[in-house]
Amino acid sequence: DAGVTQSPTHLIKTRGQHVTLRCSPISGHKSVSWYQQVLGQGPQFIFQYYEKEERGRGNFPDRFSARQFPNYSSELNVNALLLGDSALYLCASSLGWGRSDGETQYFGPGTRLLVL
Amino acid sequence: AQSVTQPDIHITVSEGASLELRCNYSYGATPYLFWYVQSPGQGLQLLLKYFSGDTLVQGIKGFEAEFKRSQSSFNLRKPSVHWSDAAEYFCAVGHNNNDMRFGAGTRLTVKP
Repeated sequence: DAGVTQSPTHLIKTRGQHVTLRCSPISGHKSVSWYQQVLGQGPQFIFQYYEKEERGRGNFPDRFSARQFPNYSSELNVNALLLGDSALYLCASSLGWGRSDGETQYFGPGTRLLVL
Repeated sequence: AQSVTQPDIHITVSEGASLELRCNYSYGATPYLFWYVQSPGQGLQLLLKYFSGDTLVQGIKGFEAEFKRSQSSFNLRKPSVHWSDAAEYFCAVGHNNNDMRFGAGTRLTVKP
């Protein structure tokens, strides 16, 4: 089975532009989470979606938005790009959400965004 | 608020030597704890996780970790390191995988 896939793999934008990143979860997984990983740091939680509803949001400005589609794939949108948005954006999928024994997240390879 | 500290930014060990990577967490309730590994240009791969039960957890690639509530620690160990283990290692704490918090990572270099 294919793992989590993300597109594009690399992207270069200029300040003020808008970007859309895409993620396809593992088949059967209904939850998708997005993380930002700045060089030299651990991933930071941006959003989680489950069954097309937002279930969690990290400490990111409103320039960041996301959605989940009926096939459980997801898009992350970032408006008015800043230099500080340059990072590796990781998508992770899991079977569900809120199970008592927790959920394991499986990560995609990421999209590397460079803002000039 | 939940948080994770990985005190060692960079560790170098010789191939065949033992390894211990440190992780300390802060969490109000019983934490869900994870160790992930990231090779250059790759996403994160789960090594092991702790939710409850036996405090010594076995993972993939010969790794294990021990949950010590009294020390708020979840250190990762491997008895004999292989050159292919060179990578970045992340400890994470979370609950219901919502708002999972990662440490800053420990970069492992393996000397031949």
